Amino acid sequence: DAKTTQPTSMDCAEGRAANLPCNHSTISGNEYVYWYRQIHSQGPQYIIHGLKNNETNEMASLIITEDRKSSTLILPHATLRDTAVYYCIVRTLNRDDKIIFGKGTRLHILP
Amino acid sequence: SQTIHQWPATLVQPVGSPLSLECTVEGTSNPNLYWYRQAAGRGLQLLFYSVGIGQISSEVPQNLSASRPQDRQFILSSKKLLLSDSGFYLCAWSVRASRFPNTEAFFGQGTRLTVV
Repeated sequence: DAKTTQPTSMDCAEGRAANLPCNHSTISGNEYVYWYRQIHSQGPQYIIHGLKNNETNEMASLIITEDRKSSTLILPHATLRDTAVYYCIVRTLNRDDKIIFGKGTRLHILP
Repeated sequence: SQTIHQWPATLVQPVGSPLSLECTVEGTSNPNLYWYRQAAGRGLQLLFYSVGIGQISSEVPQNLSASRPQDRQFILSSKKLLLSDSGFYLCAWSVRASRFPNTEAFFGQGTRLTVV
């Protein structure tokens, strides 16, 4: 089972910041949080990942709470092209190295 | 640079026919390999994953099987397709997280399978 829970869907106005929450209360100390997004009929695209510090790249920012039990993906200036399903996953570091996706959040960017 | 190839892009097959989907990775060695399925309007379901040649782990009992005959080749098969096998099939690869936890997974463009 996925180790994360996310809201089923969210709306955001174009040009505003989109803040997507994720709960991962059972995360282990050495497990990373990854975010991917899937635009319709395409393979998932990597966005960002982090361990405990906040991270930023050209696509997004990732804010991880101090207790690491939750995180927020921030798209600073959402565009219509950001409409997609966003998945938050915890990368297991066991030998089997499974990558389990939850149901994700369907983000609608409104014009 | 690393690339992942998955084919065909679309496939229409009759019920009861066999299936073979192939995925190959270039530019890396000893990758983890994954097969996922996505039913219409649903999330990504992990079907199989492999950490090495001949090492296949199945996540969900089903009508499908997987094989890894070479280091960078991952094949998804079925002897007899069911209507419920329809969906979007995705192959992915990553480096071993236990050694390199700071790396992402890379996905192919997928195969849309329709069983009729």
